[in-house]
Amino acid sequence: AQSVTQLDSQVPVFEEAPVELRCNYSSSVSVYLFWYVQYPNQGLQLLLKYLSGSTLVKGINGFEAEFNKSQTSFHLRKPSVHISDTAEYFCAVSDNTGNQFYFGTGTSLTVIP
Amino acid sequence: GAVVSQHPSRVICKSGTSVKIECRSLDFQATTMFWYRQFPKKSLMLMATSNEGSKATYEQGVEKDKFLINHASLTLSTLTVTSAHPEDSSFYICSGPSGEGINEQFFGPGTRLTVL
Repeated sequence: AQSVTQLDSQVPVFEEAPVELRCNYSSSVSVYLFWYVQYPNQGLQLLLKYLSGSTLVKGINGFEAEFNKSQTSFHLRKPSVHISDTAEYFCAVSDNTGNQFYFGTGTSLTVIP
Repeated sequence: GAVVSQHPSRVICKSGTSVKIECRSLDFQATTMFWYRQFPKKSLMLMATSNEGSKATYEQGVEKDKFLINHASLTLSTLTVTSAHPEDSSFYICSGPSGEGINEQFFGPGTRLTVL
């Protein structure tokens, strides 16, 4: 079975500052890794995903994440945040069928003007 | 990307009534769809896997008689919350695989259920 840990439940950051949202996973098999964003009262929107290949993955809205197998991490980064990035961010892992997803508890990112 | 819709987006009902939530894949066919429940400020919890043409598979601790799932066609799965109670109030989200490869899920916009 897989599991995901998001260590930071809330991350406040000033506008135009960099941000890193942490995600660690555990799994006994090869996994796929995802980051989703959720705006209030909305569903999930895929930010980026790691399936294979380059460990640095670039996504939408200027976000990127790096897969680190030795540290079992998949941290999300953005060099300069905007007010509109305020949202809930979820890290997720699936097995290599991509069907069953396991989500972290989420990180609430608040961008301060 | 693929599109998944849910209807209704919000529903308020009285305790004891049943509520049906629809999940449709608009531009792809899905033999499997997934239902999640999200509590306030919490993560998504997988409730069940909806299988077209056969019974749904429920996660441990989810009451199958309370949360009825029907996968009527390759583009429609329904979740019926029977005899709803206030503790069933939650945000319900469905997802389906894109079919492009086997490694991506597309999530619906969610349904906010409030039971009075």
